[in-house]
Amino acid sequence: SAVISQKPSRDICQRGTSLTIQCQVDSQVTMMFWYRQQPGQSLTLIATANQGSEATYESGFVIDKFPISRPNLTFSTLTVSNMSPEDSSIYLCSVEITDTQYFGPGTRLTVL
Amino acid sequence: GDSVTQMEGPVTLSEEAFLTINCTYTATGYPSLFWYVQYPGEGLQLLLKATKADDKGSNKGFEATYRKETTSFHLEKGSVQVSDSAVYFCALMKNNFNKFYFGSGTKLNVKP
Repeated sequence: SAVISQKPSRDICQRGTSLTIQCQVDSQVTMMFWYRQQPGQSLTLIATANQGSEATYESGFVIDKFPISRPNLTFSTLTVSNMSPEDSSIYLCSVEITDTQYFGPGTRLTVL
Repeated sequence: GDSVTQMEGPVTLSEEAFLTINCTYTATGYPSLFWYVQYPGEGLQLLLKATKADDKGSNKGFEATYRKETTSFHLEKGSVQVSDSAVYFCALMKNNFNKFYFGSGTKLNVKP
């Protein structure tokens, strides 16, 4: 398994601003994933981030809104840009190790 | 397309009752199947997994058997505790594709 941390754990932001969420894992991993979990809902994959290449975005998510960085094998960031109240969600990063995904604790974002 | 269907919640049980949460899947080939648990205010934790037909995953008193003939992976526990109150997610991964598909989640409330 892996120990995954996220920063911040929660934040309250104003409409139109941006927030960068950090994800740190305690071992080197090839694949990292970013998910959104809207209130009371299941997980929706935003993008897959591999080190050394551009992130791959799922349908409905674009790089301008959710830019992702993956500078090394233990770290990734997700930025939520030009936020609106509809972006209020929990954002989760995960890593894949031996065909299993392990999740961070999540970042709870509220946009006013 | 590939998908996971879970029974709708919430499921409310008394302590020491028997638990079943139904999960069925649609996928070609031989996916791996997972149950994750999300406690209030936390990220997802892997509960158990099974990678091939007739495999039984088990952890913390929970069990699920990979039934290819019925495309099911139902979660069971013989005697639930108040501490089991959480949201449970069934998921599948298409082998060699690294993509996870999550069910909608089933909220379990266990009353003392």
